[in-house]
Amino acid sequence: DVKVTQSSRYLVKRTGEKVFLECVQDMDHENMFWYRQDPGLGLRLIYFSYDVKMKEKGDIPEGYSVSREKKERFSLILESASTNQTSMYLCASSLMGVFEQYFGPGTRLTVT
Amino acid sequence: GIQVEQSPPDLILQEGANSTLRCNFSDSVNNLQWFHQNPWGQLINLFYIPSGTKQNGRLSATTVATERYSLLYISSSQTTDSGVYFCAARNRDDKIIFGKGTRLHILP
Repeated sequence: DVKVTQSSRYLVKRTGEKVFLECVQDMDHENMFWYRQDPGLGLRLIYFSYDVKMKEKGDIPEGYSVSREKKERFSLILESASTNQTSMYLCASSLMGVFEQYFGPGTRLTVT
Repeated sequence: GIQVEQSPPDLILQEGANSTLRCNFSDSVNNLQWFHQNPWGQLINLFYIPSGTKQNGRLSATTVATERYSLLYISSSQTTDSGVYFCAARNRDDKIIFGKGTRLHILP
């Protein structure tokens, strides 16, 4: 079975802090994704990566950056957290050329 | 661009009932996936179904790509089926779009 793990289930940070969200997958998937999920807005793609050191902006990249130094790990970085970044963050992975995605358990981030 | 619409937005059923969830998409898609998000937030793959019909236990799904819809059937509902069901589709530009979901409540 594909396993996607995320570093924290719940996280509370203060405004202005730098925040790192980590995602690791164990199935040698090329593609990795970061989404945020908000009530009434559904899932929105922040960034994705199709290879090590490669990244592509999704629909809402503003205020975020990403890092992919190893194939299995994809990090989402909030350079200076703001209250409007309070959300559920979901990581996913998939094989190259295959649409089927596998999701991690999610991280509920609260920025106060 | 492609739009993905799910209906109904909310559904409340008694345990043991059957249900049908619908996903309409506005443009030709080459992929479609159904997920169940449990109360803890985990998105669980149900079906990858760009076309045709698949079954897994009490759940089955049918996608008719030429008519731009997919249906998820849940038979003999259980309380553990509660949660939000999402469909997601990808268009020719490789853009992935999620529907807003159907929130299902199964009452004991």
